[in-house]
Amino acid sequence: KNQVEQSPQSLIILEGKNCTLQCNYTVSPFSNLRWYKQDTGRGPVSLTIMTFSENTKSNGRYTATLDADTKQSSLHITASQLSDSASYICVVRHGGSQGNLIFGKGTKLSVKP
Amino acid sequence: GAGVSQSPSNKVTEKGKDVELRCDPISGHTALYWYRQSLGQGLEFLIYFQGNSAPDKSGLPSDRFSAERTGGSVSTLTIQRTQQEDSAVYLCASSFYPGRGTNEQFFGPGTRLTVL
Repeated sequence: KNQVEQSPQSLIILEGKNCTLQCNYTVSPFSNLRWYKQDTGRGPVSLTIMTFSENTKSNGRYTATLDADTKQSSLHITASQLSDSASYICVVRHGGSQGNLIFGKGTKLSVKP
Repeated sequence: GAGVSQSPSNKVTEKGKDVELRCDPISGHTALYWYRQSLGQGLEFLIYFQGNSAPDKSGLPSDRFSAERTGGSVSTLTIQRTQQEDSAVYLCASSFYPGRGTNEQFFGPGTRLTVL
């Protein structure tokens, strides 16, 4: 079954600290993987997209990694800020003709002062 | 507009009533999606429109749910005879054709539906 599992479910960190969010998937065939940030009461916004051949991609303080062999991805946030408080959603696109998106349930990050 | 807009932002209704949720996609985007986000759950695909093609309705949970897209732009999601389990945030997204591959889906702010 095509699934996307994220961990931890929730996380609380102090401002300025780093953190890493995990995403494991069983989607096959694989097309690409996106990390979205969803602020409370808002729609998700894409942070980064990883294709099969990419191992690491950065977007400011966000760095995503992808290991296509183990079907794992991580999102590392450096020097966290209060505005990083949000849900982070891992989304994998199926590589079949329909290209369906499979969504993880998200990790809720709270950054405290 | 600059982004995907949805209305209303919040809707409270009584069980058994019908509701209509509206989505205005980004101008020029031919692909439009509806998703449902229940508390503590991931986004659940409902329906996908691409240009003038027949919509992909494979995610609609029951025949109480329907959607249409007029003129290839605005879309309306209708839920008939609402049930309490329909309470969720309904998100709309749009993207450039073909709506697959690496094309990014841009999400609206959602409509929070509460069925009493």
